[in-house]
Order: sequence, then C-alpha cells, then structure tokens
Amino acid sequence: SQQGEEDPQALSIQEGENATMNCSYKTSINNLQWYRQNSGRGLVHLILIRSNEREKHSGRLRVTLDTSKKSSSLLITASRAADTASYFCARGSPGAGSYQLTFGKGTKLSVIP
Amino acid sequence: EPEVTQTPSHQVTQMGQEVILRCVPISNHLYFYWYRQILGQKVEFLVSFYNNEISEKSEIFDDQFSVERPDGSNFTLKIRSTKLEDSAMYFCASSEFPGLTGNEQFFGPGTRLTVL
Repeated sequence: SQQGEEDPQALSIQEGENATMNCSYKTSINNLQWYRQNSGRGLVHLILIRSNEREKHSGRLRVTLDTSKKSSSLLITASRAADTASYFCARGSPGAGSYQLTFGKGTKLSVIP
Repeated sequence: EPEVTQTPSHQVTQMGQEVILRCVPISNHLYFYWYRQILGQKVEFLVSFYNNEISEKSEIFDDQFSVERPDGSNFTLKIRSTKLEDSAMYFCASSEFPGLTGNEQFFGPGTRLTVL
C-alpha cells in the first residue's frame, strides 16, 4: 500500500499533557501535510512539511519528518480539550503534474479536561 | 481569512438521480480538487482541475462523474446517476500553484451526500 498510516489509532490524554501522533508511509514524498477533523466536519490544514525539511513549528504544534525512516510525527504540546479531534497525515507524492494527497486512517485524539 | 465554501451542506437524493455539488475555492488559488470520505473510511482523492481542464483523476472518478468551473468563482462536481455507494462526505479543496513540491491544500467544510 502507498498510503500513510498513523499510530496510534486512538489516544486519550489529560488536558495539559503532550500528544504525539505518528505517520508512516512506504513510497517517496515531496511533502507531507497534517490535518485535523472534528467529528463529521471539514478538514483543517495544520502544517505542511517538505521532503527537504526535518522539523516545522506552528504555535503548539511541532512536526518532524524522517525521510530515511519514511515517518513523520505531530506533537501537540500543552493539550486542551478543544484539541479533541481526529488527526490525519496526507502524503504528496512526486510525479509530473501529480498533486493528489493520499490520506492515512487518522489518529483519534481525546483530551480529557 | 479566506476559506473554501461548499453548498449544500447536506444533500439527500434518490438512486439514479443527478446531483451537483458546488464549491467556491479561495479566490487566488489556481488548483482545485475533489475528495470524498465514506463514513468511517479514509479520505480519497477524486480529481484535480487546473486551467479549465482535469489535471489528474483517480479510478473512482469514472464516467458518472464530471467537474466544471462554470464561472470565475464556482467549481462543481456532478454525479450523473447516483448509486447507493456514492453516499459519502465530498470535500472540495484548493491550492496555489503547487510547483515542484506541492502546496497546502485547503479544504471546505464538505457536502454530505446521502443516496437512498
């Protein structure tokens, strides 16, 4: 399968703790994007990291990328109840004129107040 | 902040009927996409559109599907004869020109299509 896979499938933490979600993939990428989805709602773009980057930050979010291990992680620091959602990685693959994203199954994060 | 909008939020239709799902991409974006998410499953790519033509499509995007940019702001997905298995959340997305390494794709809130 060429699709990214997140782990864990589900994660439950206390408010204030950090949450780490991982994404693995099997083929080469030109970028990897993380999205958040609240139950039954749209996809909110969080961060894009390109294949030549190793780490990016945005507020309480930190994304790392290890292309040698074909994996990425999303860290949410000091979690809040409002962070409760599903988180997806989406892989952009190199290919002339190909910009489709391939999504993983997601990690369902529950932050308990 | 600019955002992608979609209408309707929920569409119920009878099997065999035609449906048109509408999207207004972010105004300065050049690439447009449709994805779908069947309940409990992964988000799947359907089609991308650039310069008034299909750039790429998946195996899901068969002859029953078509896309159009009828004017300078709307982007539509038409399903000619809906099937039960077309029931899903359909997401429109847009991006600036992706260049060599791709670009952020911003998604709309989705249209939930229910085929009875």
